[in-house]
Amino acid sequence: SQQGEEDPQALSIQEGENATMNCSYKTSINNLQWYRQNSGRGLVHLILIRSNEREKHSGRLRVTLDTSKKSSSLLITASRAADTASYFCATDAPNDYKLSFGAGTTVTVRA
Amino acid sequence: GAVVSQHPSRVICKSGTSVKIECRSLDFQATTMFWYRQFPKQSLMLMATSNEGSKATYEQGVEKDKFLINHASLTLSTLTVTSAHPEDSSFYICSARDRSTGWNYGYTFGSGTRLTVV
Repeated sequence: SQQGEEDPQALSIQEGENATMNCSYKTSINNLQWYRQNSGRGLVHLILIRSNEREKHSGRLRVTLDTSKKSSSLLITASRAADTASYFCATDAPNDYKLSFGAGTTVTVRA
Repeated sequence: GAVVSQHPSRVICKSGTSVKIECRSLDFQATTMFWYRQFPKQSLMLMATSNEGSKATYEQGVEKDKFLINHASLTLSTLTVTSAHPEDSSFYICSARDRSTGWNYGYTFGSGTRLTVV
């Protein structure tokens, strides 16, 4: 079932700028993950943050998690044209391996 | 890293026919695979959880007889859309997790199948 809301729905930025998108969820989670989807393709796992973690970095990606607000953010620094894609957050509940996806944010990076 | 191969990538079929979509874990064993459906510019909706050697678990509102799932081996799950209708046209994606790598790598997704029913 869907439990994530993401904002903004769409984001257009210039190459080199940072892109920030947010995700909110409704129920307790085990982990929160971010995925990227290029148009018409499958999803690529970007980063996973556990419920007891507050911040995580991977290359140009920075993810934060605030379990008290049930929200997460994904920051992409120094964006590139190749970062153009849709980004989804996904959560799984304790003792449940099924993922619930957010609505997604479509990011367009202009050269 | 873990790879999930999904075939076909695109299929066009006539109304009333059945279509089979395959999802294979290439370099790991997947006791559990997941099937999603995605409408244009929308998010992924979980359809069912495919369990190796047992019956699939379907999400509420998903017709079991319409979307047949078979997970006969540790590396292969199939989704068969039976008696397809135009409203079944969608993007279908499978995923699996390589449990041997732990949680940090998330789930691996197939490249998706674009089904068009005419």
